[in-house]
Amino acid sequence: AQTVTQSQPEMSVQEAETVTLSCTYDTSESNYYLFWYKQPPSRQMILVIRQEAYKQQNATENRFSVNFQKAAKSFSLKISDSQLGDTAMYFCAFSGAGSYQLTFGKGTKLSVIP
Amino acid sequence: KAGVTQTPRYLIKTRGQQVTLSCSPISGHRSVSWYQQTPGQGLQFLFEYFSETQRNKGNFPGRFSGRQFSNSRSEMNVSTLELGDSALYLCASSLVGGLTGDTQYFGPGTRLTVL
Repeated sequence: AQTVTQSQPEMSVQEAETVTLSCTYDTSESNYYLFWYKQPPSRQMILVIRQEAYKQQNATENRFSVNFQKAAKSFSLKISDSQLGDTAMYFCAFSGAGSYQLTFGKGTKLSVIP
Repeated sequence: KAGVTQTPRYLIKTRGQQVTLSCSPISGHRSVSWYQQTPGQGLQFLFEYFSETQRNKGNFPGRFSGRQFSNSRSEMNVSTLELGDSALYLCASSLVGGLTGDTQYFGPGTRLTVL
């Protein structure tokens, strides 16, 4: 069974600064997909970024980028130029190819301070 | 396109009752998944449906069941409610799910409170 670990329950960052959220996972599969989802307070979960394990290039999406280290089974999220709207719970998630489910980490609560 | 919709948004039930939650996926999406979110256990997978067939089920008791209709809308049912069933129930849809690592798009959730 796959496991996803987010070791930082809470983090804070000053507005306009950069912050990195950590995620590690454990799997014996060679082909899989990794995701970061954002869940703002009392609002629905939205996808931040997606990474295919077979792609060596790190995914980027505007101010959001990942550092994907397949050998280390690490998948961290970097948020540049943090904005107040980035305040949310961030969940790292894993999906094996051929799997019909997402396995989530416990989440990191990020607060952006003005 | 309209997003994933879930009804009702809030429910209050008492122990022993049963409840049915509904989910309408994004138009064209055929895979629907359900997750339970609690402060203690986090997000846990309940089950996934595609073309009216359950393809995968999480580690939940048989009191939790679901189904999918021909228009891809899905319902989940919880019978004989327990206090521990209080949670946010999230529905997510994707095009086909599974093999291609389809992105799952989430609805706003149904907040179930069991008294």
